[in-house]
Amino acid sequence: DAKTTQPPSMDCAEGRAANLPCNHSTISGNEYVYWYRQIHSQGPQYIIHGLKNNETNEMASLIITEDRKSSTLILPHATLRDTAVYYCIVRVANTGNQFYFGTGTSLTVIP
Amino acid sequence: GAVVSQHPSWVICKSGTSVKIECRSLDFQATTMFWYRQFPKQSLMLMATSNEGSKATYEQGVEKDKFLINHASLTLSTLTVTSAHPEDSSFYICSARDPLAPIYQPQHFGDGTRLSIL
Repeated sequence: DAKTTQPPSMDCAEGRAANLPCNHSTISGNEYVYWYRQIHSQGPQYIIHGLKNNETNEMASLIITEDRKSSTLILPHATLRDTAVYYCIVRVANTGNQFYFGTGTSLTVIP
Repeated sequence: GAVVSQHPSWVICKSGTSVKIECRSLDFQATTMFWYRQFPKQSLMLMATSNEGSKATYEQGVEKDKFLINHASLTLSTLTVTSAHPEDSSFYICSARDPLAPIYQPQHFGDGTRLSIL
């Protein structure tokens, strides 16, 4: 599986957009990019995923570069409840589907 | 949507006892479930893949005799930490995906079980 690199921590002012980068320069053509977040003492929560097109849902937007070597998760209006560790994972979509987590980015939303 | 449930959410027990953690898929049948462990301020580490009706597949370095996995039904996998010691204290999390959903659909995670061994 391709590895991902994320900054260890970021701060964001409440109400502003939070832009979380992820580098996955060794991604292969059939690997999807998944984003999860983990709020303290809870299981990971699915946010969004994509293959090569930008994606948007009710939680966030995912911007994937044209060469697919990096992506950015955008939380358009961060709230205090968005404070969490955000994980970017690349994985081939198959029946095995194990997820290997990297170190993630600890996002702190500041009032 | 699909939901994965874990029980118990928190358990404290004495050193040397065995502890069983349950992982259930609530509205789909999961032929495969996954078990993770997370130490404080660290990321999730995949321990094993639980396969319904067959033996679990363990990641390198995970003791299969220490962490017994049983996946006897399509909605239940159990992880038993045998002869638990303080170093086994951790946050244990399971996940599964609906096999009938499109193959790129994500896994769903349980809320985790915090195990404290005294």
